[in-house]
Amino acid sequence: AQSVTQLDSQVPVFEEAPVELRCNYSSSVSVYLFWYVQYPNQGLQLLLKYLSGSTLVKGINGFEAEFNKSQTSFHLRKPSVHISDTAEYFCAVSSNDYKLSFGAGTTVTVRA
Amino acid sequence: DAGVIQSPRHEVTEMGQEVTLRCKPISGHNSLFWYRQTMMRGLELLIYFNNNVPIDDSGMPEDRFSAKMPNASFSTLKIQPSEPRDSAVYFCASIPGPLNTGELFFGEGSRLTVL
Repeated sequence: AQSVTQLDSQVPVFEEAPVELRCNYSSSVSVYLFWYVQYPNQGLQLLLKYLSGSTLVKGINGFEAEFNKSQTSFHLRKPSVHISDTAEYFCAVSSNDYKLSFGAGTTVTVRA
Repeated sequence: DAGVIQSPRHEVTEMGQEVTLRCKPISGHNSLFWYRQTMMRGLELLIYFNNNVPIDDSGMPEDRFSAKMPNASFSTLKIQPSEPRDSAVYFCASIPGPLNTGELFFGEGSRLTVL
């Protein structure tokens, strides 16, 4: 079985500042890792995913994440945030089956 | 192409009433999921269908909950009788195949309030 821990429940950040959202996972087998974003009153949509290959993954809206197998982490970063990045972000893990285990979510609030 | 379509978007009902939530997956997607989202428990997988067959319903909270997928383009989640603790946002999601190595496409959710 796999699980995901998002280390920060709330991250306030000023516009144009960088942001990092931390995610650690546990699994006894190889994993696939995902970051999803949920804007207010909407469903989740995929930001980026790691399946294999390069450990640095680039996603939509200027986000990127780095897979670190030794630290079992998949932290999400953006060098300069916008007001429109205010949302909830979910890290998720899958082990090549139908189950996607989500973290508890990190609420990012971008202030001007 | 239309995304996953859920209805109703909002439902307010009284305890004891029957609630039916509906989902139309993306055309061609043969795997469908129902999730529940609450502040306390986050996102929970309720049930997973593949080719209209329920594969895993271990997340369904209790017998008051039931889900069906009579065909590839329609699924329902029913709660009977509803209770205040069922208040949550219920999401439907679909993917093209059985393996979760790709993107889950979510609907916009059905927000249920049970008074």
